[in-house]
Amino acid sequence: AQTVTQSQPEMSVQEAETVTLSCTYDTSESDYYLFWYKQPPSRQMILVIRQEAYKQQNATENRFSVNFQKAAKSFSLKISDSQLGDAAMYFCALQNFGNEKLTFGTGTRLTIIP
Amino acid sequence: SAVISQKPSRDICQRGTSLTIQCQVDSQVTMMFWYRQQPGQSLTLIATANQGSEATYESGFVIDKFPISRPNLTFSTLTVSNMSPEDSSIYLCSVGTGGGYLSGANVLTFGAGSRLTVL
Repeated sequence: AQTVTQSQPEMSVQEAETVTLSCTYDTSESDYYLFWYKQPPSRQMILVIRQEAYKQQNATENRFSVNFQKAAKSFSLKISDSQLGDAAMYFCALQNFGNEKLTFGTGTRLTIIP
Repeated sequence: SAVISQKPSRDICQRGTSLTIQCQVDSQVTMMFWYRQQPGQSLTLIATANQGSEATYESGFVIDKFPISRPNLTFSTLTVSNMSPEDSSIYLCSVGTGGGYLSGANVLTFGAGSRLTVL
């Protein structure tokens, strides 16, 4: 069975600062994908960023970037220049190649301090 | 990406009753997924709904409690049967949209969820 672990239930950051959210995972598969989703109070799950395990280059999407360490099975999310709209629950998720199912971590609640 | 409409958005239900949640997608999709998010918790997959065949349930979830229909490629329903307060959760419908040539990942798009409160 595969697992996704987020060890930080809550994080806070000053507006305009940088914050890193941690995620570790465990899978026996060699091909897989990793995702970060955010869930604001509206409940809508929004894709933030995704990473293919076969790619060594870390994914980036504007202010969002990941630090993917395949050997350590670590997948952290860095948010630069934090904005008030970044406040949300952030979920790390794992998807095996050829399978659409997602396994989610327990989430990190991010608070942005004005 | 696909646009998903879920109904109802929220409901308050009495113990012992059943409620059916509808999920409508604006494009044809092969698989639809139903997730449960208990208060303050993460998302847990209930089942995968395939058109033309029975749904595939994850460990801990059974068809008698969560019957699913998938009459066509754009629509699915999830029924929560004989509800108890422990069923109070957000139920989310999700579909895979594919990542295109840039990525082999099957990106999942989610509906806004249905918040059920069971008294």
